[in-house]
Amino acid sequence: ELKVEQNPLFLSMQEGKNYTIYCNYSTTSDRLYWYRQDPGKSLESLFVLLSNGAVKQEGRLMASLDTKARLSTLHITAAVHDLSATYFCAVDQDKIIFGKGTRLHILP
Amino acid sequence: GAVVSQHPSWVICKSGTSVKIECRSLDFQATTMFWYRQFPKQSLMLMATSNEGSKATYEQGVEKDKFLINHASLTLSTLTVTSAHPEDSSFYICSAQLTEAFFGQGTRLTVV
Repeated sequence: ELKVEQNPLFLSMQEGKNYTIYCNYSTTSDRLYWYRQDPGKSLESLFVLLSNGAVKQEGRLMASLDTKARLSTLHITAAVHDLSATYFCAVDQDKIIFGKGTRLHILP
Repeated sequence: GAVVSQHPSWVICKSGTSVKIECRSLDFQATTMFWYRQFPKQSLMLMATSNEGSKATYEQGVEKDKFLINHASLTLSTLTVTSAHPEDSSFYICSAQLTEAFFGQGTRLTVV
């Protein structure tokens, strides 16, 4: 059974700082997703990672994938308050299974 | 990207009644759609996989008779919560897959 583990589950950080969210998964997979969710809203797709060594960047967010280690990271650079949200990783193995999410709170 | 639309966005119903939620893929055909449930401050839990023209596949612990899924066409799947109770109050989200997964905007169900 596929398990997806995210850490940390909660992160409070100052604006301007860097931090990384980790996502480990238990079995091989074709693709890994990162999503953002704001309170009361559905999911916003951030990244789709398809292959080992894949790295994608959008603004202050960068995601990477190591399929051998079954590990993906979401790195936040010079955080700003607008990035406060819950971030989910999800792994696709015929069906998409989500991690528990990381609630990110960025203090001004 | 592709668009998945859910309706309604929110619904309030009385305990014991049934509620139907629709999930449509607007600009592509989807033989498979997925239904998730999300309780406050929790992650998305997969409830079932909806298969066009055949029975849905339910995850362990999800009651088939309570959460009826119908996938009658390549662009529409419906989830009916039967005999709803307050504990069924949740955020229900559907998704359909093309080159990647696309999610609907979600339906907030409140059972009073």
